[in-house]
Amino acid sequence: GAGVSQSPRYKVAKRGQDVALRCDPISGHVSLFWYQQALGQGPEFLTYFQNEAQLDKSGLPSDRFFAERPEGSVSTLKIQRTQQEDSAVYLCASSGRGQGRGNSPLHFGNGTRLTVT
Amino acid sequence: SQQGEEDPQALSIQEGENATMNCSYKTSINNLQWYRQNSGRGLVHLILIRSNEREKHSGRLRVTLDTSKKSSSLLITASRAADTASYFCVPNPGGGADGLTFGKGTHLIIQP
Repeated sequence: GAGVSQSPRYKVAKRGQDVALRCDPISGHVSLFWYQQALGQGPEFLTYFQNEAQLDKSGLPSDRFFAERPEGSVSTLKIQRTQQEDSAVYLCASSGRGQGRGNSPLHFGNGTRLTVT
Repeated sequence: SQQGEEDPQALSIQEGENATMNCSYKTSINNLQWYRQNSGRGLVHLILIRSNEREKHSGRLRVTLDTSKKSSSLLITASRAADTASYFCVPNPGGGADGLTFGKGTHLIIQP
């Protein structure tokens, strides 16, 4: 596809369940980012990959959050033992060129809206 | 990390009017980017302005950058209903060590 694809579009989980959110970046894009966006707020940075290397995971809110990008393309964000405060939209973005984070525009997917009940 | 602070937080204008949003940041930057987010959608990149540029245009959008004041502005001319969205500025300090942090944005409403 031409853009960043995220699935599922919506996810409802019961508290305590594990969830896995998928991101298909634009083909060939080196950099991949995950953000968390609460209602009415701006996106909060979670983690950053350059190819398969996770270079920054400083934004992950707890050790229940885990992200991977094993082959340098598709990425999965996993949340274990979900809690109500995890309810948010999770956005994935990719960028090309790999000249350093922030030096080329981010292309965002439409996000996965996670609701924890 | 550095995030931009957008001002105002909310702005409502009539269709056809111009809309101006401002952004301030704290430390030196390599570039600054503006993004738009329509309700329920992902963010769309609008403009990237480099630290050695003072003004940049893209269609009805005009972005200015004043590095001495650590501020930027986004002007949308001849606004349309489809411009209703939240707008975010993202200052990038460069160096690959940090950046790409979003603030709360300016929520722009265009009244028909």
